[in-house]
Amino acid sequence: DAGVIQSPRHEVTEMGQEVTLRCKPISGHNSLFWYRQTMMRGLELLIYFNNNVPIDDSGMPEDRFSAKMPNASFSTLKIQPSEPRDSAVYFCASSSGLAVSYEQYFGPGTRLTVT
Amino acid sequence: AQSVTQPDIHITVSEGASLELRCNYSYGATPYLFWYVQSPGQGLQLLLKYFSGDTLVQGIKGFEAEFKRSQSSFNLRKPSVHWSDAAEYFCAAATAGTALIFGKGTTLSVSS
Repeated sequence: DAGVIQSPRHEVTEMGQEVTLRCKPISGHNSLFWYRQTMMRGLELLIYFNNNVPIDDSGMPEDRFSAKMPNASFSTLKIQPSEPRDSAVYFCASSSGLAVSYEQYFGPGTRLTVT
Repeated sequence: AQSVTQPDIHITVSEGASLELRCNYSYGATPYLFWYVQSPGQGLQLLLKYFSGDTLVQGIKGFEAEFKRSQSSFNLRKPSVHWSDAAEYFCAAATAGTALIFGKGTTLSVSS
């Protein structure tokens, strides 16, 4: 089992540029979560999907952030335009279901730096 | 508002010594409780979880945690720390139908 795969692992971009983060969940998992980790705010849930459908995006900080899950094996988180305050580590996690009893498996994260 | 607090930002423990990491929660009802570990450059890995029943929960890597309702706490313990335990540890909580809320984390350093 390859686990949750995220790409790129590191991204450095200039303010105003579009950034796309990618996630491949564990095969067979039907729930996918995007988190952001910063020193100031810790680990925050941005959005989550169930069966490719966005369920709750209330954690998405601004309209500059968008996420899609076109199929069961792929999701993207896009920031457009990016700002320095978006610098953080972004994690994707997947699980077998939405219930809290299902363990979430985390990817290694994408470290985003916006200059 | 629901919250999870980890009072200690950084803890240093000698190898072979015992460890206790603190976690307090603030919820209207007793939530489900979790401890995760994050090694450098890695994602989070679940160590253990508490849903109900026995208040002492055993997890992977020799860790255990004790739920204390009266103190709204869920502290993580290990009797003898190994150098490989150096990592960041996160406590988290959720109720049915709500998302996980994480504490800010405690960084554990292990000295030889």
